[in-house]
Amino acid sequence: QLQLQESGPGLVKPSETLSLTCTVSGGSISSSSYYWGWIRQPPGKGLEWIGSIYYSGSTYYNPSLKSRVTISVDTSKNQFSLKLSSVTAADTAVYYCARRRYNSAPRVAFDIWGQGTMVTVSS
Amino acid sequence: DIQMTQSPSSLSASVGDRVTITCQASQDISNYLNWYQQKPGKAPKLLIYDASNLETGVPSRFSGSGSGTDFTFTISSLQPEDIATYYCQQYDNLPMYTFGQGTKLEIK
Repeated sequence: QLQLQESGPGLVKPSETLSLTCTVSGGSISSSSYYWGWIRQPPGKGLEWIGSIYYSGSTYYNPSLKSRVTISVDTSKNQFSLKLSSVTAADTAVYYCARRRYNSAPRVAFDIWGQGTMVTVSS
Repeated sequence: DIQMTQSPSSLSASVGDRVTITCQASQDISNYLNWYQQKPGKAPKLLIYDASNLETGVPSRFSGSGSGTDFTFTISSLQPEDIATYYCQQYDNLPMYTFGQGTKLEIK
């Protein structure tokens, strides 16, 4: 059974770079049928898609965050990572990694999620 | 950008009630609309894909309908374990995605 697990610091200082890793277990990140994504949720608020990556390294970012986001993949470790630079308090959120199934419609959805990790931006 | 507007933002209902949530897209998204359930402190869970298809293992009291710009999510008979926040999500303009703002469902 495929599982995703986020890891990384729970506290980041303002203006620094937030770095998180998602480890995929029970399956291969190199499957041609899936994309891998990051989604965040500020406390008490809704879900915001941050970006996605394909095992080949192709990336897609939310235009509102694009200038600060880098997503990368390490197929040898079955992991993908998120870097968000120049963080502020507005970046405080639970960060989820998730699998997006299928390359094109229909049936595209985020069908497997990690448990999420809380990241607080504070000095 | 495609905007998704859910209503209501919160809802209180009794066990056994029929519950309906709507989601409106700012432009035609065909049936590229998914529904997720998020219980407190947990990750979202996919319930409905492509507007009306029940994900494997999801109870049949959950259903969805609609196409174009207007979509509906229904719980036919509310159960205590259905207390959660529900989100719609469009994927018409892949690889971009947009979530609705969520509907918080509470027991009356």
